Amino acid sequence: NAGVTQTPKFQVLKTGQSMTLQCAQDMNHNSMYWYRQDPGMGLRLIYYSASEGTTDKGEVPNGYNVSRLNKREFSLRLESAAPSQTSVYFCATTPTGNQPQHFGDGTRLSIL
Amino acid sequence: GQQLNQSPQSMFIQEGEDVSMNCTSSSIFNTWLWYKQDPGEGPVLLIALYKAGELTSNGRLTAQFGITRKDSFLNISASIPSDVGIYFCAGLEGSNYKLTFGKGTLLTVNP
Repeated sequence: NAGVTQTPKFQVLKTGQSMTLQCAQDMNHNSMYWYRQDPGMGLRLIYYSASEGTTDKGEVPNGYNVSRLNKREFSLRLESAAPSQTSVYFCATTPTGNQPQHFGDGTRLSIL
Repeated sequence: GQQLNQSPQSMFIQEGEDVSMNCTSSSIFNTWLWYKQDPGEGPVLLIALYKAGELTSNGRLTAQFGITRKDSFLNISASIPSDVGIYFCAGLEGSNYKLTFGKGTLLTVNP
């Protein structure tokens, strides 16, 4: 999806390892989001950043931390990965909170 | 938290048939969105609805924002093989930044 770039696209970790997922957008959007997608569960919000300098918890924040590095970049960190965090992670952005979100193509993360 | 019930969970249809799927909520939403997700990609916005009763089309797709603000449906007419994918509804309350997603409808189209 043009405008929202996620890296890496795939990653395999061992339990206990740490990892930072990166998200960058070039649409000058104010708000950025991290979701996880599990089979049969839809997308669940982990953390979001309404604007540069702010972050807030979503539905499933435990085990994760985030950093809004600047307006363009929003990273998601797993300090000590657990098998339950095996999932596909999506970053999304919006100009403001009441507008549709635009998604990246995801990071597929497996934790053994 | 909010919950959206999306149905059906999956559909298997013949090319050329029409498709209908819907979402219901226990709470009121101010915005309803419909997304499509192809394998290995992120969700892509199909239609956005901002007003109760609103009916919006995008090509062969039509979606409606329910008058009670607790439901929405998506229709696809004359389905084609490239319609295959997972369709998600999502609701937004005001400007609180938090989208609530349905669990998706997996659509398979048999050529």
